[in-house]
Amino acid sequence: AQSVTQLGSHVSVSEGALVLLRCNYSSSVPPYLFWYVQYPNQGLQLLLKYTTGATLVKGINGFEAEFKKSETSFHLTKPSAHMSDAAEYFCAVRSYNFNKFYFGSGTKLNVKP
Amino acid sequence: DAMVIQNPRYQVTQFGKPVTLSCSQTLNHNVMYWYQQKSSQAPKLLFHYYDKDFNNEADTPDNFQSRRPNTSFCFLDIRSPGLGDAAMYLCATSRGQQNIQYFGAGTRLSVL
Repeated sequence: AQSVTQLGSHVSVSEGALVLLRCNYSSSVPPYLFWYVQYPNQGLQLLLKYTTGATLVKGINGFEAEFKKSETSFHLTKPSAHMSDAAEYFCAVRSYNFNKFYFGSGTKLNVKP
Repeated sequence: DAMVIQNPRYQVTQFGKPVTLSCSQTLNHNVMYWYQQKSSQAPKLLFHYYDKDFNNEADTPDNFQSRRPNTSFCFLDIRSPGLGDAAMYLCATSRGQQNIQYFGAGTRLSVL
């Protein structure tokens, strides 16, 4: 079975500060991992994904995430937060039968001026 | 251009009055999904179609039904909406074993 845990339902950073959003997963098979961003009253937009190969994945808007198998983690980072990064972020894992994605409960990122 | 289109963006219905939400896609993806998302919660998968094959989640209430008349369109029918069904409903698509889901902007349903 697959599951995702996002630590911290709310994260607040100052503009220009490092963003770190945590995601841990559980999977009985090699996982495919994703980060999505959701702005208010919008659908989810893919930020980045890990399937195979390089464990450090770069995405849109300056975000990146590192797959660490030993820690079963896929944390999302951005070196310098921008006001426009304020949104809710969801980590997801794809199930072995590929049709189903399991989402974490989300982390709301607040960026202070 | 929007690739997964959900109509309407906002829907108000009355308690117990059937309502239908629609989703269309221009991606020619063979898999379509419906999620329910309540405030500050993760999207919860209700069901998905793989081509014409319907796959219902075990905990999806019978009150929720779906139709997919063709590749491009998928509908979510709520037969007798209750107050607890007020939520954002998200449609998503993917192509077979590709890893990416493409989401529509969602329909926010209010039940009065």
